[in-house]
Amino acid sequence: GAVVSQHPSWVICKSGTSVKIECRSLDFQATTMFWYRQFPKQSLMLMATSNEGSKATYEQGVEKDKFLINHASLTLSTLTVTSAHPEDSSFYICSARPSGGAQNEQFFGPGTRLTVL
Amino acid sequence: KQEVTQIPAALSVPEGENLVLNCSFTDSAIYNLQWFRQDPGKGLTSLLLIQSSQREQTSGRLNASLDKSSGRSTLYIAASQPGDSATYLCAVVGQAGTALIFGKGTTLSVSS
Repeated sequence: GAVVSQHPSWVICKSGTSVKIECRSLDFQATTMFWYRQFPKQSLMLMATSNEGSKATYEQGVEKDKFLINHASLTLSTLTVTSAHPEDSSFYICSARPSGGAQNEQFFGPGTRLTVL
Repeated sequence: KQEVTQIPAALSVPEGENLVLNCSFTDSAIYNLQWFRQDPGKGLTSLLLIQSSQREQTSGRLNASLDKSSGRSTLYIAASQPGDSATYLCAVVGQAGTALIFGKGTTLSVSS
């Protein structure tokens, strides 16, 4: 149980285009999902907290108009990187926290590697 | 602001050795602490989760301890194997429902 999927697993796009990444909780409902970004040889940095049915909360320094988050259902959150540039190339990982989970454990997706040419 | 530090950044050991990975955090008011494993280019695998009220958790050859008052956690790996080679990440949750704050990880290499 507690499986989180991400799609796509990798994507290459041209500079200036937009890319959408999906994060799905497959066997549980998640009121809250988190989006992280990991640059090479660095740790995961929280980008934003996504709450179902409300606006996402962005961390300082993360442009909300560039990284659009939509959490339209209890099992799906999407991250859209708009007008992508090479510096946006990174590993994007989502996590989902089961609604009502007793231990407050978060389950992570396998990640999406984005390369912007 | 919570900061998580992991020492050492890298570690190389021969197969069979027992080893300890260290994690420290600046704000002792945490909700829980998790240890993860990350293989190159891959996502995260949760290893152990310790609630703030707990002192340790064990899973197979892994044992994680938590000393909240001193802001420290250790991950003990017994009888290391080449398959244990990976980056190990420590992360804390400050309040229930909030995101994990990660350390930079310890990259472990176990030689056969």
